[in-house]
Amino acid sequence: DAKTTQPTSMDCAEGRAANLPCNHSTISGNEYVYWYRQIHSQGPQYIIHGLKNNETNEMASLIITEDRKSSTLILPHATLRDTAVYYCIVMAYNTDKLIFGTGTRLQVFP
Amino acid sequence: GAVVSQHPSRVICKSGTSVKIECRSLDFQATTMFWYRQFPKQSLMLMATSNEGSKATYEQGVEKDKFLINHASLTLSTLTVTSAHPEDSSFYICSASRGGGFKGTDTQYFGPGTRLTVL
Repeated sequence: DAKTTQPTSMDCAEGRAANLPCNHSTISGNEYVYWYRQIHSQGPQYIIHGLKNNETNEMASLIITEDRKSSTLILPHATLRDTAVYYCIVMAYNTDKLIFGTGTRLQVFP
Repeated sequence: GAVVSQHPSRVICKSGTSVKIECRSLDFQATTMFWYRQFPKQSLMLMATSNEGSKATYEQGVEKDKFLINHASLTLSTLTVTSAHPEDSSFYICSASRGGGFKGTDTQYFGPGTRLTVL
């Protein structure tokens, strides 16, 4: 499975954009990048996923580099409720498994 | 859409007893369900994958006789922790995916988790 590398923690001011980076240099051509977040003591929440093109939904935007070796999750206007651990996961092409790494702990402050 | 529930949300039991946790997909049919375990301050660890009507596939190091999984219908999977001991105390989380698409493209939707405490 392609591994991902994320910063351990990040801070963001409320109302500002939160940009969460993820490296996945060993990703294969048909493997998707998924982002989930986990608020304390809750189940993970699906945010967004993509293959090659940039994606946007009501929660966030996902920017994937042309070589697909890294991606950035963008929360355009962070709120205090966005404080959570954010997981970037590459789903192997021949399986539906999500292998969680340690993620990035995002702290949004007033 | 894509709501997954778990029951119970919390359970406390005595050592040696068995505990059953239910995972339901409320508004979609889940071909595949997954069970995870999470210890305090750690990430989620995949325990097993279950497909409706077939035996679960366990990850390496997970005792299948201790963690019994039954995926009897397209909306229900159960995890039974048999002869629970204090070291089994953890946060158990299930997820469900619709399936039917290409592998590697099915989004998983997670339940809220069940906190198990074994005394």
